[in-house]
Amino acid sequence: NAGVTQTPKFRVLKTGQSMTLLCAQDMNHEYMYWYRQDPGMGLRLIHYSVGEGTTAKGEVPDGYNVSRLKKQNFLLGLESAAPSQTSVYFCASRGFTGGGQPQHFGDGTRLSIL
Amino acid sequence: DAKTTQPNSMESNEEEPVHLPCNHSTISGTDYIHWYRQLPSQGPEYVIHGLTSNVNNRMASLAIAEDRKSSTLILHRATLRDAAVYYCIRANTDKLIFGTGTRLQVFP
Repeated sequence: NAGVTQTPKFRVLKTGQSMTLLCAQDMNHEYMYWYRQDPGMGLRLIHYSVGEGTTAKGEVPDGYNVSRLKKQNFLLGLESAAPSQTSVYFCASRGFTGGGQPQHFGDGTRLSIL
Repeated sequence: DAKTTQPNSMESNEEEPVHLPCNHSTISGTDYIHWYRQLPSQGPEYVIHGLTSNVNNRMASLAIAEDRKSSTLILHRATLRDAAVYYCIRANTDKLIFGTGTRLQVFP
């Protein structure tokens, strides 16, 4: 059971570079989420998707874009990386049935912007 | 979206019960209460959730106040592996709303 898989696990970028983080889930979940976690903080929602082809803004969406072209994948893009985007990024997914469904998290991507 | 309120840290001895409190005084009628925990260098792990009634599972129990403005996560016998940050979260139809959590230390 792979669950939620994030690629890559670590990455170092220079300011201004672009990159895409990939999240894949094999549980046929409708909902997918991208969070960031800064040291000593809780998770903050960046963007989320309630189904294939849909995306919505979360709490801290600026500087990020997302796409959900396939149900099992949710991509997070940084077009022009900034040092303030240095963080640990977590992806999560859950099934459809309202707020009672738990989210399943990946192991995170540690991203450093120099 | 109002976040929940939890103590920053708590301590317990191994094999003792632990009661982790959470205040969610502005919770709406359709919001669920979820608890997750996060071990160092890992993603959050689901623990338990509920809406109005108390809930039990193999990991923990969740006691929800009658007015739903607060809840308590109960670990019946703490182990060293329970040392983690515990998040009490409001969950609406689409999203989880994380606070800063309670760091639980467990001593042998």
